[in-house]
Amino acid sequence: EDKVVQSPLSLVVHEGDTVTLNCSYEVTNFRSLLWYKQEKKAPTFLFMLTSSGIEKKSGRLSSILDKKELFSILNITATQTGDSAIYLCAVPGGADGLTFGKGTHLIIQP
Amino acid sequence: DGGITQSPKYLFRKEGQNVTLSCEQNLNHDAMYWYRQDPGQGLRLIYYSQIVNDFQKGDIAEGYSVSREKKESFPLTVTSAQKNPTAFYLCASSIRYGSSTDTQYFGPGTRLTVL
Repeated sequence: EDKVVQSPLSLVVHEGDTVTLNCSYEVTNFRSLLWYKQEKKAPTFLFMLTSSGIEKKSGRLSSILDKKELFSILNITATQTGDSAIYLCAVPGGADGLTFGKGTHLIIQP
Repeated sequence: DGGITQSPKYLFRKEGQNVTLSCEQNLNHDAMYWYRQDPGQGLRLIYYSQIVNDFQKGDIAEGYSVSREKKESFPLTVTSAQKNPTAFYLCASSIRYGSSTDTQYFGPGTRLTVL
C-alpha cells in the first residue's frame, strides 16, 4: 500500500524565519512527487518532482527530491504571514489517484 | 477562463437524504477525481474516472456513487448509506490518467454538513 508521511504535522514560526517541511514516501511504482499549498479551500499546485537532486524553485519556495532515501523537502525562506497554510505532499499511486500525506499546518506569526 | 468549478460551496443535508455534488471542468482533461478531506487528515480518494463512461472506486467509495456521461462533468452522489458524510469534498482533474504529467488541479471544494 502506498504511503506518504509528512512532518511536522504543525509548525509555528515567526515572520522572516526559514522553514523546512518533510515528506517521506513508499510507493510501488514511483513516477513523481507533488507539493500543494492549501489555504482555505482548494489545494494549489506548487511543484512536481521527478528526478533526484534537482532543486525546483519558485520565489522563496524550493523543493528537492531524494529518490534513494525516499523523501522530499520543501523549504520556505524569509517566511511571510501569507505563507500560512497547510502544505500537502502527494504521490501518484499504482492504480489510483494521488496518495496524500496528512499535511503540515504552517502558521507564520507576525 | 479555464478551470474546475464545484457547486454548491456549502451544502446541508438531513440524515437519510441523498445529495449530489457538482464538478465541472473546461480544461479538456481526460481524468477526474473526487477526494474527501477531514480535519487532521490528508485527502482520501473516493472515486476516479480515467475517461468518459468509465470510473473506478478509490479507497473510500462505500456510500458514494458517481457518473461520467460527459468529459466535462463528474458529479458525486453522497447516499444515505455513507455513515459519516460531513466533510470537505474536493474534485480534481488531470490531463490524462497515469501519465508522467500527474499534476492534478483542484476545484474550490464543497463543504457538506449533515444535520
